Amino acid sequence: AQSVSQHNHHVILSEAASLELGCNYSYGGTVNLFWYVQYPGQHLQLLLKYFSGDPLVKGIKGFEAEFIKSKFSFNLRKPSVQWSDTAEYFCAVNLKTSYDKVIFGPGTSLSVIP
Amino acid sequence: NAGVTQTPKFQVLKTGQSMTLQCAQDMNHEYMSWYRQDPGMGLRLIHYSVGAGITDQGEVPNGYNVSRSTTEDFPLRLLSAAPSQTSVYFCASSRNRDRVREKLFFGSGTQLSVL
Repeated sequence: AQSVSQHNHHVILSEAASLELGCNYSYGGTVNLFWYVQYPGQHLQLLLKYFSGDPLVKGIKGFEAEFIKSKFSFNLRKPSVQWSDTAEYFCAVNLKTSYDKVIFGPGTSLSVIP
Repeated sequence: NAGVTQTPKFQVLKTGQSMTLQCAQDMNHEYMSWYRQDPGMGLRLIHYSVGAGITDQGEVPNGYNVSRSTTEDFPLRLLSAAPSQTSVYFCASSRNRDRVREKLFFGSGTQLSVL
């Protein structure tokens, strides 16, 4: 079945540590890719997106993600996390042939310890 | 600019009761959708609409109905609530752009408990 998976359910890091959250999808066609973040008590909001072009995309708050087509992956990275990055992170995908359905992964909860 | 507004924020139902979750957006977005968020499962798409009068099913449509009579509103109806529908429900909207799904704007969610 077509799906979006995220490698870790819960990640705990100390401030200044580097972050990498894994995301893989199983769709075979051309995809649009997204990372959304949900800070405690807030709405989900877009961190970054990939539609085409440079596979390394930069988002808000120092986050970046790399699309590796051969690995069906779109991993999220940040070189140095802050306590304020504590949140839940969701990878999302939609197929360009079915772009009205945005399918989300199960989410990764990140806790940053001061 | 209010964005995406969902009401109510919290609701408790008994099994078999019906209710409607309201969603309204003031951004003139053609696309609107409903998700449910459950622990360990992320957000799952229930129904979506690409414009007034047009709706379609997502990943988990059973037990839910929608309609889209105006661009602004996209209500989600539970005709006979079941405990399995206990969840947090999010409405989201976006512009239409040719062959690309623009970023989603989310509401603040409705926490629903079915006893």
